[in-house]
Amino acid sequence: GESVGLHLPTLSVQEGDNSIINCAYSNSASDYFIWYKQESGKGPQFIIDIRSNMDKRQGQRVTVLLNKTVKHLSLQIAATQPGDSAVYFCAEGGYSGGYQKVTFGIGTKLQVIP
Amino acid sequence: GAGVSQSPRYKVAKRGQDVALRCDPISGHVSLFWYQQALGQGPEFLTYFQNEAQLDKSGLPSDRFFAERPEGSVSTLKIQRTQQEDSAVYLCASSLDRTRAYGYTFGSGTRLTVV
Repeated sequence: GESVGLHLPTLSVQEGDNSIINCAYSNSASDYFIWYKQESGKGPQFIIDIRSNMDKRQGQRVTVLLNKTVKHLSLQIAATQPGDSAVYFCAEGGYSGGYQKVTFGIGTKLQVIP
Repeated sequence: GAGVSQSPRYKVAKRGQDVALRCDPISGHVSLFWYQQALGQGPEFLTYFQNEAQLDKSGLPSDRFFAERPEGSVSTLKIQRTQQEDSAVYLCASSLDRTRAYGYTFGSGTRLTVV
C-alpha cells in the first residue's frame, strides 16, 4: 500500500514497551486537541481527544497529556503491540466560522519491533 | 453503508485533464470535509459543507478546485486542468453534526497522480 510515513519522524519501539509520541502545537486558542492514527492506505482514525482546560485524559491503553505552558501534547501508548504500527498525527480543534475545524500537525511514524 | 466511501480509490490523470472525486458520507451526517494529504504530510483542510451549504472553502488552493454537495449527502471534488502539484491523497470526512467535528470519520481517500 501507499507509504503515508515517508519522510516523517520515526519512533521505533519494542513490542510490549510503552510508546510516547510528542507534538508541539502553535495555537494557544484551540479548544481541544486530538490524536489520530493513520495506517497505510487508510484515512486517519480518531484515537482520543482532550479539552484545553484539562491536562490529562486516559483511554484504553492510551493517555494524552497536555502542557499548555509550553504548548506541548503527548500520546502515551501502554504495552505497544504490532497493530499500533502507524503514523500518528496530533491535531488542534476549535470553532471557526460557526463550525468545529480541525487542523493537523506533523505526523510521527511508530514502528513496533516484534 | 457503515463508513465513508470514496471513489475512485486511485486515479491517474494526464496534466491538463479534469478529474472528479466522489465522497459518500455516512448516512445522516450533516458535516462533510475535504482534506488534501501530500506524501509524508498531514492532511490539509480544503473545504467544509454543512448539509448542502459550503460554509468554508478557504483551503481550496486555486480556482481550479471546486466542490459541491447539491443534496446534502454525496459530495464531489472537481479539479480542472490538473497539474503535477495536485498529486496527493484526497480525503473526505463526515461528522454527525457541526459540534462534534473531532469525531470525524474519514474515508480511505482517493490517490490522485498527475503525470
